[in-house]
Amino acid sequence: KNEVEQSPQNLTAQEGEFITINCSYSVGISALHWLQQHPGGGIVSLFMLSSGKKKHGRLIATINIQEKHSSLHITASHPRDSAVYICAVRGNTPLVFGKGTRLSVIA
Amino acid sequence: DSGVTQTPKHLITATGQRVTLRCSPRSGDLSVYWYQQSLDQGLQFLIQYYNGEERAKGNILERFSAQQFPDLHSELNLSSLELGDSALYFCASSVVSGRSNEQFFGPGTRLTVL
Repeated sequence: KNEVEQSPQNLTAQEGEFITINCSYSVGISALHWLQQHPGGGIVSLFMLSSGKKKHGRLIATINIQEKHSSLHITASHPRDSAVYICAVRGNTPLVFGKGTRLSVIA
Repeated sequence: DSGVTQTPKHLITATGQRVTLRCSPRSGDLSVYWYQQSLDQGLQFLIQYYNGEERAKGNILERFSAQQFPDLHSELNLSSLELGDSALYFCASSVVSGRSNEQFFGPGTRLTVL
C-alpha cells in the first residue's frame, strides 16, 4: 500500500465547477504539501500545511491530522487550472509523493 | 519563476554513459533536494544536502551520486546509465533543513537514455 493515496486519478470538469481532490496518508507527518505540475513539466508549490486550512485565491487546502486526510479545493475552475495536482507528505524523509490527480477543465 | 535553476534542460545520451546535472538553489537557501520523476514510479526523493553536507538519502541508486559545493550549487552524477534511468530530474531548495519548510522546485532536467 502506498503511503500517500490520491483520488481521483483523473478528473474532467466544466469551467466554473467546484473541484475537490483528496489525499490520504498512512504515516505520521510534520507537513503536507500540495504541488501543481503543468503539462510542460514544471512543478509549483501551492500549499504547505501542518494543520487547519489555507486559502490562496481560488484554491483552498485543508488537512485533518487525526484522520490523516487532506483536500484541495478549486472554486470557479478555469481551463488554466488544467494540470496534475500532487500531494506530498513530509515525515522521516523530505517528501513522499502521491501519484497525482490529472485535472482537465473544459471551457 | 521559483528562483531555482537547473541545467541542462534536456539531455540525450546512450546506455553506459555518465552525465552530470546541475542545480543552483534560490539565493539564501542552504538545502538542496534531488527528485526523480519517471512514468512508472512517479516522483521519488533521491537525496538531500544541507550547507554542503549530505542530510538525507532516499531511493538513490549506487550508480548515482551527488554533492553540494561551497557556493551551494549542487550536482547529481548519474553513471553507467540504463534505459530505465530516463526520467525528469528535479532539484528543489529550501531555506533550512527543518521538517516543515517549503521547497521551491527547479524546472527539471529531462534525461533520455537511448
